[in-house]
Amino acid sequence: DVKVTQSSRYLVKRTGEKVFLECVQDMDHENMFWYRQDPGLGLRLIYFSYDVKMKEKGDIPEGYSVSREKKERFSLILESASTNQTSMYLCASSLPGTTLNQPQHFGDGTRLSIL
Amino acid sequence: GQNIDQPTEMTATEGAIVQINCTYQTSGFNGLFWYQQHAGEAPTFLSYNVLDGLEEKGRFSSFLSRSKGYSYLLLKELQMKDSASYLCAVRDLYNFNKFYFGSGTKLNVKP
Repeated sequence: DVKVTQSSRYLVKRTGEKVFLECVQDMDHENMFWYRQDPGLGLRLIYFSYDVKMKEKGDIPEGYSVSREKKERFSLILESASTNQTSMYLCASSLPGTTLNQPQHFGDGTRLSIL
Repeated sequence: GQNIDQPTEMTATEGAIVQINCTYQTSGFNGLFWYQQHAGEAPTFLSYNVLDGLEEKGRFSSFLSRSKGYSYLLLKELQMKDSASYLCAVRDLYNFNKFYFGSGTKLNVKP
């Protein structure tokens, strides 16, 4: 079974802090994703990566950056945290998109509160 | 833009059948996924449709009509453990790595 592990289930930070969310997958997947999940808005893509050191912006990249130095690890960085970034953050991994019927595999999420 | 619509919440009785609908208006379509998400847990994959018709997997089935931009998830013989949110996601036609999610349908199963 694919395992996607997010480093923290709950995190509380202060406005203006630099925040790191870490995600590790154990299935050698090429693709990794960061979403945020807010009530009534569903999952919105922040960034995804299709290979080491490669990344693409999703629908809401403002205020975030990412890092993928190793295939199994994908980090989300909030450069200067703000209260509107309080949310549930979900990491996912998958085989390349050309493998059409393969789903994304999600971590349990990090509930981040910015005070 | 991309628009994926699902009902916000539904309630059904243990042992019954429930149908959760998903309609989509997207600039392209390359497959539709259904996920189940229990409160506080990761979404987990339920089903995938890319061609019109019904896909059956035990108590769960999923249907797709591409011409109508419509899918549904059918849950039979409901159990209390089926209480969860159900997410519909459409894969982008031009970027296979991109998915558009609905806001999810929270299903409450009552005894």
